Amino acid sequence: ILNVEQSPQSLHVQEGDSTNFTCSFPSSNFYALHWYRWETAKSPEALFVMTLNGDEKKKGRISATLNTKEGYSYLYIKGSQPEDSATYLCAFRELSGSARQLTFGSGTQLTVLP
Amino acid sequence: NAGVTQTPKFRVLKTGQSMTLLCAQDMNHEYMYWYRQDPGMGLRLIHYSVGEGTTAKGEVPDGYNVSRLKKQNFLLGLESAAPSQTSVYFCASRTGLAGREQYFGPGTRLTVT
Repeated sequence: ILNVEQSPQSLHVQEGDSTNFTCSFPSSNFYALHWYRWETAKSPEALFVMTLNGDEKKKGRISATLNTKEGYSYLYIKGSQPEDSATYLCAFRELSGSARQLTFGSGTQLTVLP
Repeated sequence: NAGVTQTPKFRVLKTGQSMTLLCAQDMNHEYMYWYRQDPGMGLRLIHYSVGEGTTAKGEVPDGYNVSRLKKQNFLLGLESAAPSQTSVYFCASRTGLAGREQYFGPGTRLTVT
């Protein structure tokens, strides 16, 4: 079983604050790292798929970086808004997986207070 | 496009009863997956399929069976439900192209009493 860990488990920030959280994954046999945003009562939606060491991706106020050599990825949210409140999941895909299987972390639950 | 749909949205079963959850996707995706989501544990893969007529076990397959008779549908069966199978079940699908994300259905909340 692959070990994918996310920290912190939960986070409360004030509107306007910038924040970041971490996903740790195995540094060997890496193929891709996915980030998903999961709002309450909805289904997870993809934010980023990252495949190269040093990748940086951005979507609006949200960005992510990837370090495959040390096995971590950061997700950053600049100027958090209440609508950013959600659980953010990362998922690791290993090179040897035949069915594009993902191993998910347990998520970071973000609450942005107005 | 409806994307990925799941039927039913909610279900309550008694221990020992059986049921089938249906997942349907209209994106012509090759790969389909069934996950369960339990508090503090993230999404865990139950079974998956790489194409019509093929299925394989994931991380937590015990107590479940699946079938993929048509490319657009992926069925998850519980033959004899147990309280430990109380969970939220998510179906997902993706294209076979490299570097693409999975698309998730809205989930089915199952309670086994």
